[in-house]
Amino acid sequence: AQSVSQHNHHVILSEAASLELGCNYSYGGTVNLFWYVQYPGQHLQLLLKYFSGDPLVKGIKGFEAEFIKSKFSFNLRKPSVQWSDTAEYFCAVPEGSGGYQKVTFGTGTKLQVIP
Amino acid sequence: DAGVIQSPRHEVTEMGQEVTLRCKPISGHNSLFWYRQTMMRGLELLIYFNNNVPIDDSGMPEDRFSAKMPNASFSTLKIQPSEPRDSAVYFCASSLGSGSYNEQFFGPGTRLTVL
Repeated sequence: AQSVSQHNHHVILSEAASLELGCNYSYGGTVNLFWYVQYPGQHLQLLLKYFSGDPLVKGIKGFEAEFIKSKFSFNLRKPSVQWSDTAEYFCAVPEGSGGYQKVTFGTGTKLQVIP
Repeated sequence: DAGVIQSPRHEVTEMGQEVTLRCKPISGHNSLFWYRQTMMRGLELLIYFNNNVPIDDSGMPEDRFSAKMPNASFSTLKIQPSEPRDSAVYFCASSLGSGSYNEQFFGPGTRLTVL
């Protein structure tokens, strides 16, 4: 089964600082990857996704992620964070066979941006 | 589209009582997922359905938990009897299709407190 590791559990940054959140997955074959975001008191929503092609994926709100197959990584980045980026971020990898899929989520990284 | 609808949004009950959580997926989506989110264990997949059929219930913690999907527009997650350790936020999500390319759309969640 697939496993997803997010090593940073809680990150505190000042506004305008750069952000990089780590995500590593275990499966070495063809893989699709997602980042979801959960704003305080809200449900999860998709931030960006990688299926194939350009390993640098652009998402909403200025976020991007880079798929590095050799490192089994899909780190999330943003050059300059804002207070409104305060949220919990989840890396996720779908897996399944026979046409059925479920998504394995990482444990999440709480980002707190200080004004 | 109204998105995934869950009810109730908050539920407070006493230990031993039966609890029923409800979910209406996005119209046309044929995969439905139930998740539990806690501080200790993060986001856990409990069960998922494809075309109203349960595909994987290995995440259901114990026999006290049961889920049904009688039709394409409705699902329930029942806990009987409830225990304080069941306190969590329960999310329902749906997706179109069952392949690994498909984004899951999450509902607002039900915050369950068992006293």
